[in-house]
Amino acid sequence: EVQLVQSGAEVKKPGESLKISCKGSGYSFTSYWIGWVRQMPGKGLEWMGIIYPGDSDTRYSPSFQGQVTISADKSISTAYLQWSSLKASDTAMYYCARGEMATRDWYFDLWGRGTLVTVSS
Amino acid sequence: QSVLTQPPSVSGAPGQRVTISCTGSSSNIGAGYDVHWYQQLPGTAPKLLIYGNSNRPSGVPDRFSGSKSGTSASLAITGLQAEDEADYYCQSYDSSLSGSGVVFGGGTKLTVL
Repeated sequence: EVQLVQSGAEVKKPGESLKISCKGSGYSFTSYWIGWVRQMPGKGLEWMGIIYPGDSDTRYSPSFQGQVTISADKSISTAYLQWSSLKASDTAMYYCARGEMATRDWYFDLWGRGTLVTVSS
Repeated sequence: QSVLTQPPSVSGAPGQRVTISCTGSSSNIGAGYDVHWYQQLPGTAPKLLIYGNSNRPSGVPDRFSGSKSGTSASLAITGLQAEDEADYYCQSYDSSLSGSGVVFGGGTKLTVL
């Protein structure tokens, strides 16, 4: 089965670090991009960035550049999203999604179920 | 405020046709970038509904259709069903002086009356 399996929910304190994961299976992981999307409680979708596991080419949204780090380990078909110092405002659901190239950009044809991150003192 | 503008809500009775607009600008939709649409049912992850302006992935009913013109795009749903009640998002790409990247609309909540 073609799927993206995300790591479980996390509860963290402000200032702590965190790395969440997204494991692809059932397809060639190195042939597709993996994007990360934030959804804050009751809000819409926000694109954070995207990585091509084949060569680790990574692009960030200007809004998230410097705030998070996206990486991938192609040997285990897994992409990561990490924070070095969490803030309460990072509380959100985070989705990974497989990026397919459109004419000049990407669309996301396969989504993980999401990882809920709660940051609270 | 989202780069792509969608109405916050739309509604329709079962069997009716509804449309959801997605308005952009010359740095995104008007620059020729494709528009894609997603459906997010309550408590679930988004699902691709339309890609490349008007293409349906396998398994998406032909009640859903997309179009694009100028700096805007639209999603049309015909034969409205109760199961269509969800949030809908458009997505494109924006390239401006402040940076480039994937952009989403603010989302539209569809209520089936």
